[in-house]
Amino acid sequence: DGGITQSPKYLFRKEGQNVTLSCEQNLNHDAMYWYRQDPGQGLRLIYYSQIVNDFQKGDIAEGYSVSREKKESFPLTVTSAQKNPTAFYLCASSIGTTDTYNSPLHFGNGTRLTVT
Amino acid sequence: AQKVTQAQTEISVVEKEDVTLDCVYETRDTTYYLFWYKQPPSGELVFLIRRNSFDEQNEISGRYSWNFQKSTSSFNFTITASQVVDSAVYFCAHHSNYQLIWGAGTKLIIKP
Repeated sequence: DGGITQSPKYLFRKEGQNVTLSCEQNLNHDAMYWYRQDPGQGLRLIYYSQIVNDFQKGDIAEGYSVSREKKESFPLTVTSAQKNPTAFYLCASSIGTTDTYNSPLHFGNGTRLTVT
Repeated sequence: AQKVTQAQTEISVVEKEDVTLDCVYETRDTTYYLFWYKQPPSGELVFLIRRNSFDEQNEISGRYSWNFQKSTSSFNFTITASQVVDSAVYFCAHHSNYQLIWGAGTKLIIKP
């Protein structure tokens, strides 16, 4: 079955450490996204990529970094510069490289990151 | 500025009741798309519907129906004869001009 796999489901880190969240898709989608979800809030876009080797900052990119070396993979690194990293992180993908937000998003199951 | 408001933070109903989730959006664009997604306790968001601004026809899919009214900038979602499996957080989203704006979500609790 095609889908998006995020790992791990739960992640615990000490403050000051960088951590990388994995996102893999086998839907052959060109566009991939990282969202952050906090309680009582909508989704906020961190980064998105419309094509391999290219990515754009979203609304809250500070303290995060991404790479897109392969079409299937879009890992997110939460750096020590992120002031409040504890959150639920969702990876998504969609068809197409133009006007991609018009296309429905397919989501992974998310990674819940806790930093203490 | 684009904005999506889901005023109902949480709704709790007893199984088999009908329930409507409200979504009001603000936009200056004439061409846009509206979405509803469901987030069950497992965490992943599931796409439910997409509607473009030129199609005001209401949509029905089984127990789910959507009422799009441009005059009031609303895109409300009704679940008929609710079931416990409908318990989830539901998000409304608006897309235009390469931006996707999300509402804060409505948590729906269906009690058996």
